[in-house]
Amino acid sequence: DAKTTQPPSMDCAEGRAANLPCNHSTISGNEYVYWYRQIHSQGPQYIIHGLKNNETNEMASLIITEDRKSSTLILPHATLRDTAVYYCIAQYGQNFVFGPGTRLSVLP
Amino acid sequence: GAGVSQSPSNKVTEKGKDVELRCDPISGHTALYWYRQSLGQGLEFLIYFQGNSAPDKSGLPSDRFSAERTGGSVSTLTIQRTQQEDSAVYLCASSLGRFLGGSRQSGELFFGEGSRLTVL
Repeated sequence: DAKTTQPPSMDCAEGRAANLPCNHSTISGNEYVYWYRQIHSQGPQYIIHGLKNNETNEMASLIITEDRKSSTLILPHATLRDTAVYYCIAQYGQNFVFGPGTRLSVLP
Repeated sequence: GAGVSQSPSNKVTEKGKDVELRCDPISGHTALYWYRQSLGQGLEFLIYFQGNSAPDKSGLPSDRFSAERTGGSVSTLTIQRTQQEDSAVYLCASSLGRFLGGSRQSGELFFGEGSRLTVL
């Protein structure tokens, strides 16, 4: 599985969009990009995933660059409850390997 | 229940004792994963099962750790002769395990709330 690189931490003002970047420059053609988040003391929660096209669901949007070497998770209107560690994973098959993630702090 | 169930939620044991942690996945999920998370750290992959077999055991930290899955459902993670460094939250996840390669796949992992192990 491709290695991903994320900033260790980010801040975002409540009500503003949170844009979380992820670099996966060694991603292969059949590897999907997954995003999970972990709110303090809970198990990780699935957010969204995609292969080539941009994706949107009720939680977030995923923007994948045309060369697929990076992606951005967008939380359109961040709330205090979105404060969490966000994990980006490039994965094919069954093995999900979580990196250290980005600790997002949403500030009032 | 509808979600992944883990037990016990908390376990305190003495160094040298054996412990068993149980995971009951979502019904119908063929893939099952074990991770552990030490305080303030990220998730460390331990093992995953497809059905009852474990194609990837590479994450087990030592031969004191073992896991089994029976009937394609419940899994048990056993730690023998526990050490203080085994203290962590042990997380279980399950998924439908449908990876079709090249087509849209449903790889969402559903996590339990974890078993917090403290070794004194």
